[in-house]
Amino acid sequence: DQQVKQNSPSLSVQEGRISILNCDYTNSMFDYFLWYKKYPAEGPTFLISISSIKDKNEDGRFTVFLNKSAKHLSLHIVPSQPGDSAVYFCAASVENNDMRFGAGTRLTVKP
Amino acid sequence: DAGITQSPRHKVTETGTPVTLRCHQTENHRYMYWYRQDPGHGLRLIHYSYGVKDTDKGEVSDGYSVSRSKTEDFLLTLESATSSQTSVYFCATGRDRDTEAFFGQGTRLTVV
Repeated sequence: DQQVKQNSPSLSVQEGRISILNCDYTNSMFDYFLWYKKYPAEGPTFLISISSIKDKNEDGRFTVFLNKSAKHLSLHIVPSQPGDSAVYFCAASVENNDMRFGAGTRLTVKP
Repeated sequence: DAGITQSPRHKVTETGTPVTLRCHQTENHRYMYWYRQDPGHGLRLIHYSYGVKDTDKGEVSDGYSVSRSKTEDFLLTLESATSSQTSVYFCATGRDRDTEAFFGQGTRLTVV
């Protein structure tokens, strides 16, 4: 029962363009959403989060959008840089409960 | 950076042998977690701890046990390793159960 889904295993974009990573969820009780970034041979690192009371959160080049009615969130990276090439995991949680992760999307930013 | 170290980083073991993975944190976080990462599944929670000697099961706990005798240490034990437990294991810590977690570098375990 995969409650958090990242349907695109991979994404390739040109340096300087926008990267859009998508995530869908099935549990309407989720109230906190996070994105993690993972480089090879390293652990995931927290990137950005959003509470269900908001529909947008921005941090520098990274913006997360939340559409609760569609149970969908997305991560926008503008402009994309080669150093952004990594696997991105979407995660969601209900207050005081375990976090659920998506399967990840591998982003490749080409110079 | 939460100062999380996992040991060993790599291990190859035979089916049926016991294996213990170690996680050590220096940030005094209350919560500690063990996840496994497999292709197509992302990160799945095995067990977690919310304090010394306080542990609970996660999504994929069968075949695993954990112990937490000190705030800083969280052990994951495979009592009798099976090939299906070949995976990359990540330890993580957090201040709260439902907010951002800080991950170790992972342990690649191969059961042959």
